[in-house]
Amino acid sequence: AQTVTQSQPEMSVQEAETVTLSCTYDTSESDYYLFWYKQPPSRQMILVIRQEAYKQQNATENRFSVNFQKAAKSFSLKISDSQLGDAAMYFCAYRPWASGGSNYKLTFGKGTLLTVNP
Amino acid sequence: NAGVTQTPKFRILKIGQSMTLQCAQDMNHNYMYWYRQDPGMGLKLIYYSVGAGITDKGEVPNGYNVSRSTTEDFPLRLELAAPSQTSVYFCASSYGAKAFFGQGTRLTVV
Repeated sequence: AQTVTQSQPEMSVQEAETVTLSCTYDTSESDYYLFWYKQPPSRQMILVIRQEAYKQQNATENRFSVNFQKAAKSFSLKISDSQLGDAAMYFCAYRPWASGGSNYKLTFGKGTLLTVNP
Repeated sequence: NAGVTQTPKFRILKIGQSMTLQCAQDMNHNYMYWYRQDPGMGLKLIYYSVGAGITDKGEVPNGYNVSRSTTEDFPLRLELAAPSQTSVYFCASSYGAKAFFGQGTRLTVV
């Protein structure tokens, strides 16, 4: 079974600075997706960024980028120029590539609570 | 676009009561899911459905039931509420690699 581990329960960053959230995962699959979701106090789950395992290039979405190390099974999220609105719980998630049945389900880490200090 | 709509947003139940959490999506997605989120934990899969009339258990199905009579609706039923079912419940649908979540239902069992 796949597992996702986020070793940092809480992190804090000063506004305008950069922070990196860590995520490791365990799988025997060679093809899969990895995601970072943001959950603000409103509870809404918001997709921040997605990485396909077959792609060597790290995904980037504006101020958000990932460092995907497939051999190490590591998938960290870097937030640049942090803003007060980035304060939230961040979840790392894994999904198998293969289609059908429960393969579409997401496996989540326990989350990292990010605080942004003004 | 409405996306995934969950009702209610909040509910308090007494031990032993029953209730149904409603979930509807208007994107014609075949795949739908129910997750629960406990404090300090990630989301865990309760049940999922790959299409109308087809459902299956996830990681934590005990105490819950689901049905999928239409593509749009995927209700989650709690028959005999227990304090261990106090949680935040999320419904989601997916198409390809993209998942869409409802806003969640905070359920407290007292």
